[in-house]
Amino acid sequence: TQLLEQSPQFLSIQEGENLTVYCNSSSVFSSLQWYRQEPGEGPVLLVTVVTGGEVKKLKRLTFQFGDARKDSSLHITAAQPGDTGLYLCAGDRTNAGKSTFGDGTTLTVKP
Amino acid sequence: DVKVTQSSRYLVKRTGEKVFLECVQDMDHENMFWYRQDPGLGLRLIYFSYDVKMKEKGDIPEGYSVSREKKERFSLILESASTNQTSMYLCASSPAGLAGTGELFFGEGSRLTVL
Repeated sequence: TQLLEQSPQFLSIQEGENLTVYCNSSSVFSSLQWYRQEPGEGPVLLVTVVTGGEVKKLKRLTFQFGDARKDSSLHITAAQPGDTGLYLCAGDRTNAGKSTFGDGTTLTVKP
Repeated sequence: DVKVTQSSRYLVKRTGEKVFLECVQDMDHENMFWYRQDPGLGLRLIYFSYDVKMKEKGDIPEGYSVSREKKERFSLILESASTNQTSMYLCASSPAGLAGTGELFFGEGSRLTVL
């Protein structure tokens, strides 16, 4: 059983559309991270959320941590082709850096 | 900027060969990790280390060993490579304790093919 479930697994949209990616779990996390990975490269950290209910914005990306710290969402406004990539959520239950990863959402934004 | 450098981006090895994957980080991080990434299986933790000379098994340690002789360097060793170890290997580091919030800084990855 996957500790962190991401949905959808694949998403293909047109430039300018909005989208939301979800990361859900039955476990509580002390922190949760979102990463973006391009083909052939390592994941790059986008954001960390720590407090239940926390909302963080990074340009057109909005990240939210659930009140109970069990789930998170990533919303992209007016997607661009440069947003194309694999989006991974990861949770750390102990703050020890031993993170569990979701399977990822592969996003394709067509021009 | 945090820099995690993996020694080889692409390797091709034969079954039974011994393989070394090297990883160096320049941010004085205490924690270092080795993951492998496979389609449909996500990132899986192989080994990790919280300090020099220290190592702990992750979720899939079988067929692998590690070495951490210096704080900045964490090596993954495949004693006798097998075809099912063909994968993308990712090294990561993070600060420990109060400085850490679970954030991982990854290298660019090493794509290993075992023939």
